[in-house]
Amino acid sequence: QSVLTQSPSASGTPGQRVTISCSGSSSNIESNTVNWFQHLPGTAPKLLIYSNYQRPSGVPDRFSGSKSGTSASLAISGLQSEDEADYYCAAWDDSLIGWVFGGGTKLTVL
Amino acid sequence: EVQLAESGGGLVQPGRSLRLSCTASGFTFGDYAIHWVRQAPGKGLEWVGFIRSQGYGGTTENAASVKGRFTISRDDARAIAYLQMNSLKTEDTAVYYCAREDDPSGGFDHWGQGTLVTVSS
Repeated sequence: QSVLTQSPSASGTPGQRVTISCSGSSSNIESNTVNWFQHLPGTAPKLLIYSNYQRPSGVPDRFSGSKSGTSASLAISGLQSEDEADYYCAAWDDSLIGWVFGGGTKLTVL
Repeated sequence: EVQLAESGGGLVQPGRSLRLSCTASGFTFGDYAIHWVRQAPGKGLEWVGFIRSQGYGGTTENAASVKGRFTISRDDARAIAYLQMNSLKTEDTAVYYCAREDDPSGGFDHWGQGTLVTVSS
C-alpha cells in the first residue's frame, strides 16, 4: 500500500487530454513539492514535472502539473501513442522523513 | 553530459550481502544528493534512501523497509555512491536505480539504467 494514492490505470485516444491524480496527506503533498515521473519498462525513469508544475528542459508543454491541498495532478494534452507508459508521483514526507511514491498509473493510448 | 551508471547487481542468497555502486560523470558529483529507488517485479517504484551532499552534512535517510539493513555512502573524489545491502530478503529482489536530486528544486533529474538484484536460494 503506497503512501500516495494513484488510480492504477488511465486511458485515452490520440489527441485527447488525460489527467492522472495523486492523493496524499498534510505530511507530504500539502507541505512539500511534488515530482512526476514517466517510466517505460526496462528504461530509466524520466522526470516530467518538479516543484509541482515546473517542466525540465526538453519535456513538451503537453505535460503540466498542478497541486491543491493534499492532492496533485498531471495532465497530458494532445495525447500521443508514445505517451503510453507508467506515471508516478512522489513527494517528501515530513513524518516518515523520506520520499514517498505513488503506486503508479498505467496509461494506455487506445 | 550527466550520466549515472549502476553496477554490482546479481544473484544472492537470502541473508547474504551485496554492494551496489552508482558511478557518476558529467557534473560535480559532490554538489548533489544521490537517491536509490527500486522496482520489484510487477510493482511500482519504491524509494530506498538517499545521501545528502557534504554541503548538507552528507547524512543519509532510509525507507522503513530497509532501515538497519541497508547503508548508503559516497566517495566524492571518485564520484561514486554506494548502497550496501545486508541481511537480504527475497522481497528485496528488484531493479535498483540511482538518481541525482537537483538542488534546490528537489527534482530527481537524472537516473541510471538500473541494476537487477535477485535474492533467491
